[in-house]
Amino acid sequence: QVQLVESGGGLVKPGGSLRLSCAASGFTFSDYYMSWIRQAPGKGLEWVSYISSSSSYTDSADSVKRRFTISRDNAKNSLYLQMNSLRAEDTAVYYCARTGRQYGSDYWGQGTLVTVSS
Amino acid sequence: DIQMTQSPSSLSASVGDRVTITCRASQTISSYLHWYQQKPGKAPKLLIYAASSLQSGVPSRFSGSGSGTDFTLTIGSLQPEDFATYYCQQSYSTPYTFGQGTKLEIK
Repeated sequence: QVQLVESGGGLVKPGGSLRLSCAASGFTFSDYYMSWIRQAPGKGLEWVSYISSSSSYTDSADSVKRRFTISRDNAKNSLYLQMNSLRAEDTAVYYCARTGRQYGSDYWGQGTLVTVSS
Repeated sequence: DIQMTQSPSSLSASVGDRVTITCRASQTISSYLHWYQQKPGKAPKLLIYAASSLQSGVPSRFSGSGSGTDFTLTIGSLQPEDFATYYCQQSYSTPYTFGQGTKLEIK
């Protein structure tokens, strides 16, 4: 069955960096676009970034552009989010999700919590 | 960016009720509209994709309709496990924005 497992979250100081990972299994990872979506405590969902199946195309929300970088390693069935210059407002649960323009995000991980605080 | 507006923001209903949630896009998005259910502490779950297609494994009491800018999610007969927060999302253009959510509570 499809599984997505995020890791790498934790407590980081403002201005710091963190790298999230998402391990995928149960499907042909290299065939699918993937996304990162976040949810601040008690708030709604916010699309963060996505990457095409071959990494040829990426896009990100303005709120994270030039600070966050999405990448993937199809040989390792893994998705990544490099987060730099972190701010308090980046505090959220970060989900990875299998995504398609025609069908939305059909599988999600359990999420990993990122807390940005001094 | 395309703004997605859901209404109502919260809703109280009883088991067995028929419930409708609406989602309006700030510009036309064709049928690139998806609905998710989220329970506390859990990841969202895809219910409806492409405005009206039922995701595999989702009960048939869930249905979606609409195209262009106006969309609805209908739950035909509420069950206890349906009390949750519901989000719409457009994938017509990036950023793939979400509605603010509709919290469905037990009356």
